[in-house]
Amino acid sequence: AQKVTQAQTEISVVEKEDVTLDCVYETRDTTYYLFWYKQPPSGELVFLIRRNSFDEQNEISGRYSWNFQKSTSSFNFTITASQVVDSAVYFCAQKTGANNLFFGTGTRLTVIP
Amino acid sequence: GAVVSQHPSRVICKSGTSVKIECRSLDFQATTMFWYRQFPKQSLMLMATSNEGSKATYEQGVEKDKFLINHASLTLSTLTVTSAHPEDSSFYICSATGTGRYQQYFGPGTRLTVT
Repeated sequence: AQKVTQAQTEISVVEKEDVTLDCVYETRDTTYYLFWYKQPPSGELVFLIRRNSFDEQNEISGRYSWNFQKSTSSFNFTITASQVVDSAVYFCAQKTGANNLFFGTGTRLTVIP
Repeated sequence: GAVVSQHPSRVICKSGTSVKIECRSLDFQATTMFWYRQFPKQSLMLMATSNEGSKATYEQGVEKDKFLINHASLTLSTLTVTSAHPEDSSFYICSATGTGRYQQYFGPGTRLTVT
């Protein structure tokens, strides 16, 4: 069965601090996809990244970076030098085969100016 | 890119009335569309999956007679909340995917308030 755990319900950081959002997933499939989405107060989901299970290479995109560790079933997301505009709810999600996206419960990030 | 629109973005209706929400894929053919519901400060919960031209598949606990889904074309799916009640007030989000696409593209959501 699929399960995505985001243990951090809410995080607050001061602007310019780095912050890591944790995501742990469970699946019996060997082929799967992992995602991160940002949901700002407007409500619209913003796609951030997609990773497939065969690609453990970490990725950096500007201030965003992702650490995929199959050994610990984790797909953590780090924002460096956080900004107020980063304040949002961040969802980690998983998809296996033809199955639908399965979302974690989300982490609400507040960046304090 | 792939763009999905939803209409309306916000709707307020009286208890007992029905509300229709449209979800459109603007620049690709959406063979599959998904409808999610999100209550305040909660995650997205899948309500149903619809393939173009077929009946929707509902998740456990979602009443198919209350949440009518139609996916009659490759660019349009509609969700009708029938006889809405205050507990149906929520944020409804659709997403779409097409042949050869590995991710879902999300609409901006519709905030429904039932008074």
